[in-house]
Amino acid sequence: DAGITQSPRHKVTETGTPVTLRCHQTENHRYMYWYRQDPGHGLRLIHYSYGVKDTDKGEVSDGYSVSRSKTEDFLLTLESATSSQTSVYFCAIFSGGRPGQTGELFFGEGSRLTVL
Amino acid sequence: AQSVTQLGSHVSVSEGALVLLRCNYSSSVPPYLFWYVQYPNQGLQLLLKYTTGATLVKGINGFEAEFKKSETSFHLTKPSAHMSDAAEYFCAVSLTGGYNKLIFGAGTRLAVHP
Repeated sequence: DAGITQSPRHKVTETGTPVTLRCHQTENHRYMYWYRQDPGHGLRLIHYSYGVKDTDKGEVSDGYSVSRSKTEDFLLTLESATSSQTSVYFCAIFSGGRPGQTGELFFGEGSRLTVL
Repeated sequence: AQSVTQLGSHVSVSEGALVLLRCNYSSSVPPYLFWYVQYPNQGLQLLLKYTTGATLVKGINGFEAEFKKSETSFHLTKPSAHMSDAAEYFCAVSLTGGYNKLIFGAGTRLAVHP
């Protein structure tokens, strides 16, 4: 258990509304990630962070923004949700040193988002 | 571009039978390779990983995988399936040696029947 909490765990919203998902960690890890999981696609990286206020885009970043104002929280925002953003969103942290060294990704339990 | 292909979206085996889940990757540089398992309504958990060194990697729960560079493969095996192995399994590759660009396969759902 890497002390990762995602909230909300389930959310149903309507097209065009803003949505923010929160990832909270308790162990002061530097690297945090947001993935989305869709059938037939596995997990795809949306955004990641390598420190407070340091973020970068992943492979499917369009329509998403992130913020990290403190080490423990990494927020994922859908400014105007669309049906194509219906998915399960996973937060992950890297533990074991800097990326490039052997270590491990730990995943949260996921946030299921449905956009009607 | 790098990619990961998992052959078979669903695999079904009998309890006690060999488990073989296939993963092939495309890469022009030495990759880091991973297998993750996902149980229902949970996040992913690392089973094993290959970075450098010995090409046969042993992981948790009796699973192992072998990196074969000539075949660009990293197949996951377990000699004897258990009912508790029923889950979805994901192969992933990182070309940078880190986790910033971890590319996942589409996943293979393993069913184990009595």
